[in-house]
Amino acid sequence: AQKITQTQPGMFVQEKEAVTLDCTYDTSDQSYGLFWYKQPSSGEMIFLIYQGSYDEQNATEGRYSLNFQKARKSANLVISASQLGDSAMYFCAMREGMNSGYSTLTFGKGTMLLVSP
Amino acid sequence: DAGVTQSPTHLIKTRGQQVTLRCSPKSGHDTVSWYQQALGQGPQFIFQYYEEEERQRGNFPDRFSGHQFPNYSSELNVNALLLGDSALYLCASSLGHRPTNEKLFFGSGTQLSVL
Repeated sequence: AQKITQTQPGMFVQEKEAVTLDCTYDTSDQSYGLFWYKQPSSGEMIFLIYQGSYDEQNATEGRYSLNFQKARKSANLVISASQLGDSAMYFCAMREGMNSGYSTLTFGKGTMLLVSP
Repeated sequence: DAGVTQSPTHLIKTRGQQVTLRCSPKSGHDTVSWYQQALGQGPQFIFQYYEEEERQRGNFPDRFSGHQFPNYSSELNVNALLLGDSALYLCASSLGHRPTNEKLFFGSGTQLSVL
């Protein structure tokens, strides 16, 4: 079974509108972390936002917020006021085994976001 | 403060050859992970190095090996290249013993093409 599922291969949004990118995950761990990364055409993975499984509040980082629904095992990324520079691939990722000091991530297949003027 | 740097940026090899990719972690980081990203896919974990030892390994054959040096930089070696090894290889660094919400910092990757 896929550990991270991103069901939207591509999304289109107009500049200044909000957009939600979907992510569901599968784990039997009680302690885990969820991440969103942005990958522009340059290839570098850029960290956007993090949500811990025990965090009671949804994470926010500027225009990015994470809609965390633990019972549904979903961690959707919301980008408010989209900008042309937001056009990129977006990856949801999970870290399990949080008691380990070693940082490995399992990624989804990604969603390509295109922002139009 | 230099981020994660990888070299070379692009590489073309033929089947059966061997390749070495290099990575320097972000300043202050001691743990290096390598990921393979095939076209249209998310990155897949290859292995992770800390204190010059391989600490964790993903589902990759022994043709994939690595090394970490005392200055924390790392190399990824792939022997007997196959066409399917064509991918973007990403290096990520972190501080191994920080709280586990520590984010990984990635380099821009090495694009390997096997002909």
